Amino acid sequence: DQQVKQNSPSLSVQEGRISILNCDYTNSMFDYFLWYKKYPAEGPTFLISISSIKDKNEDGRFTVFLNKSAKHLSLHIVPSQPGDSAVYFCAASVSDYKLSFGAGTTVTVRA
Amino acid sequence: GAGVSQTPSNKVTEKGKYVELRCDPISGHTALYWYRQSLGQGPEFLIYFQGTGAADDSGLPNDRFFAVRPEGSVSTLKIQRTERGDSAVYLCASSLRETGRNEQFFGPGTRLTVL
Repeated sequence: DQQVKQNSPSLSVQEGRISILNCDYTNSMFDYFLWYKKYPAEGPTFLISISSIKDKNEDGRFTVFLNKSAKHLSLHIVPSQPGDSAVYFCAASVSDYKLSFGAGTTVTVRA
Repeated sequence: GAGVSQTPSNKVTEKGKYVELRCDPISGHTALYWYRQSLGQGPEFLIYFQGTGAADDSGLPNDRFFAVRPEGSVSTLKIQRTERGDSAVYLCASSLRETGRNEQFFGPGTRLTVL
C-alpha cells in the first residue's frame, strides 16, 4: 500500500523557469517530510526537508511547501538549471527512522 | 570525507543461488538502513540497525533475507535461494541518529540481477 504518491512520473521544464513537483500522502501520522534527488548510478541525495509544524521551508533555489489538511507537499525549484535534471523522490516518516518513498518524478531541464 | 560505499556495484546470479551484499557506512554513523528499489518505484525499507542490533526488520520480505552488522559498522545483506523477483537495486544508508529527522546518506546501491 503506497502511502506516499508522486502522480507525475516526469516533468520537462525550460532552463530558468520554475519546476514544481508534487507529492501526496495518505498517512496522517507522518510528521516529517523530505525530498531526495537521484542521478543515474548514484544513491539518492538529501535535498530539503520540512517538519509538520511548518508549512514552508526554503533553501536557496529550493522551497518545500506542506499543506497538511490536503496531505500534500510540493517542491519548487527556481530558477531551474540543467544540473537539476534528475529523479526526485518525496519521502515521509512518522517520528522515526523508517522512510516511505514515492515512486519518483524525472525532471528534465531543457536548455 | 568518504560517503556510504556498497560492494559489489553489480551482481548477476542464477535463481537458487546465495548472495551477499556489503555496505560500509559513513564513519561514526550508528544507524544503518537497507532499502530495496524495484524498477519504476521508490526505495522500500527493509531493515534498520542501531549499533550492532537489528532494531526493526519488519521490511524484510521473507526468511530468505537476513542482514548482520556484527561490529556496529559494516553490514551485510544476505539472500538465500534467490528468485527472479529479488532483482532490484539494494540501497544502504546511514545516519547519525535513528530518527527520520536526521538525514539519511545513501550509497550508490548494488544492482542485483537474478537470472
